[in-house]
Amino acid sequence: KNQVEQSPQSLIILEGKNCTLQCNYTVSPFSNLRWYKQDTGRGPVSLTIMTFSENTKSNGRYTATLDADTKQSSLHITASQLSDSASYICVVSDFTGNQFYFGTGTSLTVIP
Amino acid sequence: NAGVTQTPKFQVLKTGQSMTLQCAQDMNHEYMSWYRQDPGMGLRLIHYSVGAGITDQGEVPNGYNVSRSTTEDFPLRLLSAAPSQTSVYFCASSYSRSGLGAKNIQYFGAGTRLSVL
Repeated sequence: KNQVEQSPQSLIILEGKNCTLQCNYTVSPFSNLRWYKQDTGRGPVSLTIMTFSENTKSNGRYTATLDADTKQSSLHITASQLSDSASYICVVSDFTGNQFYFGTGTSLTVIP
Repeated sequence: NAGVTQTPKFQVLKTGQSMTLQCAQDMNHEYMSWYRQDPGMGLRLIHYSVGAGITDQGEVPNGYNVSRSTTEDFPLRLLSAAPSQTSVYFCASSYSRSGLGAKNIQYFGAGTRLSVL
């Protein structure tokens, strides 16, 4: 069964600190892996997209890494800001690119 | 650009009623899809379309119908609503189904919150 699991389920950090979120998946073969940010009451917003052959992708203070051999990905957030408070979702696409499998997300809270 | 527009934002139905959730995009995207988001679960794909006139089932299609008569619109129909369909529904679109990079970013609507009593 294709699954995407994320950890931790929730995280609280101080403003200005760094954090790393984890994603493990079983989707195989897969086309690409994405990270989304979802603010409360809003739709997800794309942060990064990586193919199976890419190891890292950055978008400002967000850096995603991918290890296709171990089927693990991480999202590193540097110098966190209050506006980073949101749910971060890992998504894996199957080899057709048509089916997307979503993790349950990590709820991040940044406090002053 | 308006992006992806979903209507209505909120809806309450009685069991057995039917309704259509509307989704429209103005980015000339080929790929459109519908998801539902339930507490404690990731978004799950209901149906998707790779172009006008072409639709296919996702992970949880039962109880839902779709059609794609134009590139812009992708409505989701609930024929006979059930309490199990209480959820938040998201529509999304992207340039193509499997392209990568900035051109194939998936854009989501703001969601429709549906309660079935």
